[in-house]
Amino acid sequence: DIQMTQSPSSLSASVGDRVTITCRASQSIGSYLNWYQQKPGEAPNLLIFAVVSLQYGVPSRFSGSGSGTDFTLTISSLQPEDFATYYCQQSYSSPHTFGQGTKLEIK
Amino acid sequence: QVQLQESGPGLVKPSQTLSLTCTVSGDSISSGGYYWSWIRQPAGKGLEWIGHIHPTGTTNYNPSLESRVTISLDTSKSQFSLNLASLTAADTAVYYCARSWPNWHDPWGRGTLVTVSS
Repeated sequence: DIQMTQSPSSLSASVGDRVTITCRASQSIGSYLNWYQQKPGEAPNLLIFAVVSLQYGVPSRFSGSGSGTDFTLTISSLQPEDFATYYCQQSYSSPHTFGQGTKLEIK
Repeated sequence: QVQLQESGPGLVKPSQTLSLTCTVSGDSISSGGYYWSWIRQPAGKGLEWIGHIHPTGTTNYNPSLESRVTISLDTSKSQFSLNLASLTAADTAVYYCARSWPNWHDPWGRGTLVTVSS
């Protein structure tokens, strides 16, 4: 299985901050990388697919980049509703695997 | 707007088989472009993809669960189902169903908590 490692595991930030979350794959996955946001008690919600494509309705302050093994999710200016846990997911090979999550908390 | 809703028992005994159903509304479950997936999340932990089914009946399972998992489709009811056999406490989790494109999952159902306990 391809292992997905996110860093940091948790992060404290303030409203208005620029935040970057990193996801590293144990082998090259091309552009088969997606990002999800999960709030407590809710299902994950797709934010970005295929590294850079913003899902419909997702604010433009979210962006993704990377290729191969190293990927990033950037939030350009944190809003109160962005405090949540973020997961990356590879779909290059089966089984599709997720990172362990990055919990974004209010400083 | 497509919506998915999981249903099934919240409590199952060890060694028994879990049966969950996902009801899809707002989209045809027979749409050839999509797969239909099950994903689970133990409390306080990360996400584990269980497997998916295509409307043609083709399935793909996580090898870690393959010996115990069956996913099936009932297009007449717009439902797909998960059977997971030989349950242990390690199978306690929130179980989600989701539409898969197939490389990403969207949308997801709200999830259903399954506890394995005697």
